[in-house]
Amino acid sequence: AQKVTQAQTEISVVEKEDVTLDCVYETRDTTYYLFWYKQPPSGELVFLIRRNSFDEQNEISGRYSWNFQKSTSSFNFTITASQVVDSAVYFCALSEKKNDMRFGAGTRLTVKP
Amino acid sequence: DAGVIQSPRHEVTEMGQEVTLRCKPISGHDYLFWYRQTMMRGLELLIYFNNNVPIDDSGMPEDRFSAKMPNASFSTLKIQPSEPRDSAVYFCASRGSGANVLTFGAGSRLTVL
Repeated sequence: AQKVTQAQTEISVVEKEDVTLDCVYETRDTTYYLFWYKQPPSGELVFLIRRNSFDEQNEISGRYSWNFQKSTSSFNFTITASQVVDSAVYFCALSEKKNDMRFGAGTRLTVKP
Repeated sequence: DAGVIQSPRHEVTEMGQEVTLRCKPISGHDYLFWYRQTMMRGLELLIYFNNNVPIDDSGMPEDRFSAKMPNASFSTLKIQPSEPRDSAVYFCASRGSGANVLTFGAGSRLTVL
């Protein structure tokens, strides 16, 4: 069964628009970790954020913000005032036993000038 | 630190040939992961090691795939014999025991003709 669902396959926005990438997860564990990674066109996977299941505080880092809601099993990612350099594939991931990490299918974001 | 180092970066081979992908994790990291990325299946966890011991290999596609970690600084993923459907980007990642943020290598792009 898929543990991490990123329903948006592709999103296209115009520069300066805000965009939210959705992530819904499924787990029976009470302790787990959620992540977002970015994969730019160059292909590497870049860590963006980690959140543990006991910390539902939203986080903001510059133009990036994350909204974690256990009630809806969601961990959404918002980019404010998007820029062309934000164009990438973004992956949400879940680590249930602290040891492995399973990824969603990814959302390809294209930001047009 | 040089990060996670993978080789080769690109490999083109013919069906039936043996392929060996190599990974050097970050020094001090005691977890090592192998992932495969394809358009159809996304990022799949193939196998991961803890202290050089394979912990979960349930993601290994079939017997043609094998992975070893003879010491803390080296791991291999071998495909024998290779098939065109094995064409993918193979990522190696590592992390320390105190944290579960994975650091990824640049990936090895495999093309099997």
